[in-house]
Amino acid sequence: GESVGLHLPTLSVQEGDNSIINCAYSNSASDYFIWYKQESGKGPQFIIDIRSNMDKRQGQRVTVLLNKTVKHLSLQIAATQPGDSAVYFCAERRGNTPLVFGKGTRLSVIA
Amino acid sequence: GAVVSQHPSRVICKSGTSVKIECRSLDFQATTMFWYRQFPKQSLMLMATSNEGSKATYEQGVEKDKFLINHASLTLSTLTVTSAHPEDSSFYICSASGPAAYEQYFGPGTRLTVT
Repeated sequence: GESVGLHLPTLSVQEGDNSIINCAYSNSASDYFIWYKQESGKGPQFIIDIRSNMDKRQGQRVTVLLNKTVKHLSLQIAATQPGDSAVYFCAERRGNTPLVFGKGTRLSVIA
Repeated sequence: GAVVSQHPSRVICKSGTSVKIECRSLDFQATTMFWYRQFPKQSLMLMATSNEGSKATYEQGVEKDKFLINHASLTLSTLTVTSAHPEDSSFYICSASGPAAYEQYFGPGTRLTVT
């Protein structure tokens, strides 16, 4: 099973700066990746996804980068706002198998 | 986008009792539903996968007799925590996939507290 930690890694950024949240995934056969945002007491909220045949995808203020060589995924948030404060999870899947979630990173935006 | 609802959003029950959590897909037919559990400061852990009309597939370490899952229709799945104990207190989140299967939509979660 997955190893779990007692504390989520925390990233603190100044409002207006760019944020980069990283994720190392485990399954080299995974072909679909998603970033979710989770606010306290709520379910995960879809942010952006990317398939394994791509290495970059951009959305509104967000960019996801995929490096399959080192099994690394990152989420970049431009001009971070206080409303971006939340826990961010990467998730991976292979084919139609269920999504498997990474450990999560807490983003704290300093006004 | 597709909407998944859960009911109740919060429930408190006494140790030894059972509690049922409902998960509904509101605007699409969910051929597959997933149940996750999330403890404080931790990630979502998959408990089981259910296909409409079939028995659920449980992840290793999840007791199927304790966490009863019923996926009787294409819009409803229920999770019943039987003989709940304080260690079952957690945030339970359901997710659903439609016929396209690739997208997985999440519900808002249910906070279970067992006293």
